[in-house]
Amino acid sequence: DSGVTQTPKHLITATGQRVTLRCSPRSGDLSVYWYQQSLDQGLQFLIQYYNGEERAKGNILERFSAQQFPDLHSELNLSSLELGDSALYFCASSPLAGAPTDTQYFGPGTRLTVL
Amino acid sequence: AQSVTQLGSHVSVSEGALVLLRCNYSSSVPPYLFWYVQYPNQGLQLLLKYTSAATLVKGINGFEAEFKKSETSFHLTKPSAHMSDAAEYFCAVSDLPDKIIFGKGTRLHILP
Repeated sequence: DSGVTQTPKHLITATGQRVTLRCSPRSGDLSVYWYQQSLDQGLQFLIQYYNGEERAKGNILERFSAQQFPDLHSELNLSSLELGDSALYFCASSPLAGAPTDTQYFGPGTRLTVL
Repeated sequence: AQSVTQLGSHVSVSEGALVLLRCNYSSSVPPYLFWYVQYPNQGLQLLLKYTSAATLVKGINGFEAEFKKSETSFHLTKPSAHMSDAAEYFCAVSDLPDKIIFGKGTRLHILP
């Protein structure tokens, strides 16, 4: 158990809909990262927040957005969903701002299925 | 631009045999390199990381990896495979703050 929690575990929705994925980092960790893992694209970094502020952006679509709240939990919002958005979405946390040497602790993931 | 190539999407070894998972990277600057493991229905767990200290890095569960700059490689090894090592393994590279690129992954199968 990494100490990172994600809800829900599974999510099934229809094309065009909007969903929100939630992540609670390990106690004391200030950085939260979001990743998408799909069969064709592999594991891709989406976005990072540090202490409430966006710090780094990866391959995140404009239809996706995220935020980190004062209590440090984070939400990933996915809108106008398409079939290709079906994937595992992981959240990870680390203690500091995200230097490459920081260890990231991954949550168990949310499996999103878009029908 | 940095990139990671993992050779072999599936690798099978017998229990007790040597495990060798290959990873080659490209980076314009000295990189930081990582190996992560993903067990079924779980998130990723860090096995080990190279951060420009010793070139031979020891990780958890008996795994180690050697950074070879001349070969741009960071292969993962374990002397004796155990059934519990069956999982998917990801090599990753980072040469910029806050940016990490993962390989496509190698699924390790352990044969009894």
